[in-house]
Amino acid sequence: GAVVSQHPSWVICKSGTSVKIECRSLDFQATTMFWYRQFPKQSLMLMATSNEGSKATYEQGVEKDKFLINHASLTLSTLTVTSAHPEDSSFYICSARPLPGIGETQYFGPGTRLLVL
Amino acid sequence: GENVEQHPSTLSVQEGDSAVIKCTYSDSASNYFPWYKQELGKRPQLIIDIRSNVGEKKDQRIAVTLNKTAKHFSLHITETQPEDSAVYFCAAPGGGTSYGKLTFGQGTILTVHP
Repeated sequence: GAVVSQHPSWVICKSGTSVKIECRSLDFQATTMFWYRQFPKQSLMLMATSNEGSKATYEQGVEKDKFLINHASLTLSTLTVTSAHPEDSSFYICSARPLPGIGETQYFGPGTRLLVL
Repeated sequence: GENVEQHPSTLSVQEGDSAVIKCTYSDSASNYFPWYKQELGKRPQLIIDIRSNVGEKKDQRIAVTLNKTAKHFSLHITETQPEDSAVYFCAAPGGGTSYGKLTFGQGTILTVHP
């Protein structure tokens, strides 16, 4: 149980294009999903908290107009990197937290490796 | 916000030895402390967690201890095996948040030599 999928697993794009990443909880409902970015040999840095049916909460220093988050259902959140540039190249990982009352544990997706040329 | 410090950054042990990784946190209201294992290029996997109402939790070769007074918690791996080699992250939530967001430590690269 508690499986989270992420799509695509990797993407290569040209500078200036937009990239959409999907995060799905497959066997549980998640009112809250989280988006992280991880650079090589570094820790997970929280970018934003995605809330079903409401606006995402962004961490300090994360541009909300550049990293668009939509959480339209209890099992799906999307992250769109708009006008991607080479410095946006990174490993993006989502996690999902089951409905309140079930636990605080976060379950992670497999990640999306983004390379912007 | 929460601040989590993790040590050591790298840890090298011989197969069969024990490994200990320590974390400190800043928010005294934090009440949930998970540990994740991440293999190269893979997702972080929860390996054990502890809540603030207990001081120790064990699952086979893995144990976590918590000292709320000192605001630190530790991961203990006994009888290490080469497949334990990975990056380990501790995490703590900010107290009082309804989002359950986690702040992660810097990570420890554990290498178990056969």
